[in-house]
Amino acid sequence: AQKVTQAQTEISVVEKEDVTLDCVYETRDTTYYLFWYKQPPSGELVFLIRRNSFDEQNEISGRYSWNFQKSTSSFNFTITASQVVDSAVYFCALSEARNTGNQFYFGTGTSLTVIP
Amino acid sequence: ETGVTQTPRHLVMGMTNKKSLKCEQHLGHNAMYWYKQSAKKPLELMFVYSLEERVENNSVPSRFSPECPNSSHLFLHLHTLQPEDSALYLCASSQEMRITGELFFGEGSRLTVL
Repeated sequence: AQKVTQAQTEISVVEKEDVTLDCVYETRDTTYYLFWYKQPPSGELVFLIRRNSFDEQNEISGRYSWNFQKSTSSFNFTITASQVVDSAVYFCALSEARNTGNQFYFGTGTSLTVIP
Repeated sequence: ETGVTQTPRHLVMGMTNKKSLKCEQHLGHNAMYWYKQSAKKPLELMFVYSLEERVENNSVPSRFSPECPNSSHLFLHLHTLQPEDSALYLCASSQEMRITGELFFGEGSRLTVL
């Protein structure tokens, strides 16, 4: 079973619209970490945010915000007033405390296209 | 400029060729990783090196052979690959091999096997 599910494969929005990218995770650990990465066309994954399982406080960073809800095992990412530069593939990832290695479980990614 | 540099960015090879992918990190990190990214699939962890020692090999076929001569460099040697090995190969590094640490990625090497 996949540990991180990003059900939205592709999303297209018009510039200035808000968009939410969904992420649902599965773990039995009480201590874990959730991440979002952005992969622009250049290829490298760029780190956006890390949350630990004990911190459910939502976070806002400029036009980006994250909604972490343990009750639904979700860690959704919202971009407000989207811009063309936001076009990229976005990956959600999970890391569990009981892993002996540094295993990140990535979702399949959501490809976001912002249309000017 | 990215702290993790990968070369070549694009590589086309035949099934009988031998080639290598190179990764260099300028961040002073102690852990380095190879990931495989195929279309519509999650990133697959291939190898993990911590302080130049391989600590994880996720059942990767022997036609992929990693090498970590020092903590700044990581290679992936390729030999007799199959067409299904065509993918984007991403190198990453982290300060330590801890699950809390963020990964820093290179731009990837796009491999096409004919």
